[in-house]
Amino acid sequence: DQQVKQNSPSLSVQEGRISILNCDYTNSMFDYFLWYKKYPAEGPTFLISISSIKDKNEDGRFTVFLNKSAKHLSLHIVPSQPGDSAVYFCAAQFTSGTYKYIFGTGTRLKVLA
Amino acid sequence: GAGVSQSPSNKVTEKGKDVELRCDPISGHTALYWYRQRLGQGLEFLIYFQGNSAPDKSGLPSDRFSAERTGESVSTLTIQRTQQEDSAVYLCASSRTSFETQYFGPGTRLLVL
Repeated sequence: DQQVKQNSPSLSVQEGRISILNCDYTNSMFDYFLWYKKYPAEGPTFLISISSIKDKNEDGRFTVFLNKSAKHLSLHIVPSQPGDSAVYFCAAQFTSGTYKYIFGTGTRLKVLA
Repeated sequence: GAGVSQSPSNKVTEKGKDVELRCDPISGHTALYWYRQRLGQGLEFLIYFQGNSAPDKSGLPSDRFSAERTGESVSTLTIQRTQQEDSAVYLCASSRTSFETQYFGPGTRLLVL
């Protein structure tokens, strides 16, 4: 039962263009959503997050959008840079109980120079 | 400051042997999580420690898996009688409090032959 889904395993984007990574979830009770970036042989690093009471959060080149009615969130990277090439995981969290993250399977982004 | 550290970085073992994985969280972080990532999959929650509360073990896949944490410091994850399906990257994360961002270590790559 995959509660958080990233249906695109990979994405290629030209440098300077926009990268859009998508994530869908099934449980409307999730309170908090996060994006992590992962380089090979390293642990995931936190990128950006959004509370379920908001629909947008922006941090520099990174913006996360949340559409609660569609149970969908997306990460926009503008402009994309070659250093952004990595695997991106979205995660969802209940802000009570265990606070564990439930992760999607990841999308490998390749930014072409 | 120092991040989350894990040891060993790589472990190769024979089926049926026991292994012990170590996690040193960020100093002062009260919450500690173990996740694993099998090939081609997302991160899967295993166990959660918060201060002196009873751990949430709901993600442990079998009774061959156990984990301990001493106070708010080091944690060890033990896998007894390892099986080939235990091969994965085991990731540890810590957060200052339960509802704050989790920071991940680099992981231990376990290969069971």
